[in-house]
Amino acid sequence: DTGVSQDPRHKITKRGQNVTFRCDPISEHNRLYWYRQTLGQGPEFLTYFQNEAQLEKSRLLSDRFSAERPKGSFSTLEIQRTEQGDSAMYLCASSLEGLETDTQYFGPGTRLTVL
Amino acid sequence: GQNIDQPTEMTATEGAIVQINCTYQTSGFNGLFWYQQHAGEAPTFLSYNVLDGLEEKGRFSSFLSRSKGYSYLLLKELQMKDSASYLCAVIDSNYQLIWGAGTKLIIKP
Repeated sequence: DTGVSQDPRHKITKRGQNVTFRCDPISEHNRLYWYRQTLGQGPEFLTYFQNEAQLEKSRLLSDRFSAERPKGSFSTLEIQRTEQGDSAMYLCASSLEGLETDTQYFGPGTRLTVL
Repeated sequence: GQNIDQPTEMTATEGAIVQINCTYQTSGFNGLFWYQQHAGEAPTFLSYNVLDGLEEKGRFSSFLSRSKGYSYLLLKELQMKDSASYLCAVIDSNYQLIWGAGTKLIIKP
């Protein structure tokens, strides 16, 4: 088990460009989460999948953000027409639905810089 | 609204003990997590509490009082590598994880 992986680790883009990030969860985990984190803050929830179904999406999430998990394994997060305010660390986490705990394990993150 | 409060920053000495407090007001409660996050890295799981009391795991212990909406993380025999941010997170009634802003712990020799 190699843990949660994310690609790329760093992305620099110009304002207005589209970017796509990938997350590969721990293989037996059925839940997958996307978060955004800025300096000095805790992770901000973006969206959540159980298997291939997107069950929840933050009301704060702009229509420019979209996420998919087509086969219930890896997931992609796309940001269209990026803005400077999108600069942040994008974290992916996965967990296994359980009776007592649903511990989320995080990937290393993708650091996005929008110029 | 939902709120999790932690001190912004704490300083402690190598070899000492430090207690990081977390208070929460959430719509429902289904457990509390502590995560450690080194600068520029992702959070790593430390502990989970759902019942009142103390959970001990090596040098780290976590305490929960549900009636007071309060938890603390206790770190013993501090090492320089413990310098990091410590995040408190609560699972609410919708089973969503609500995060605090984190406490930056600075260890001095």
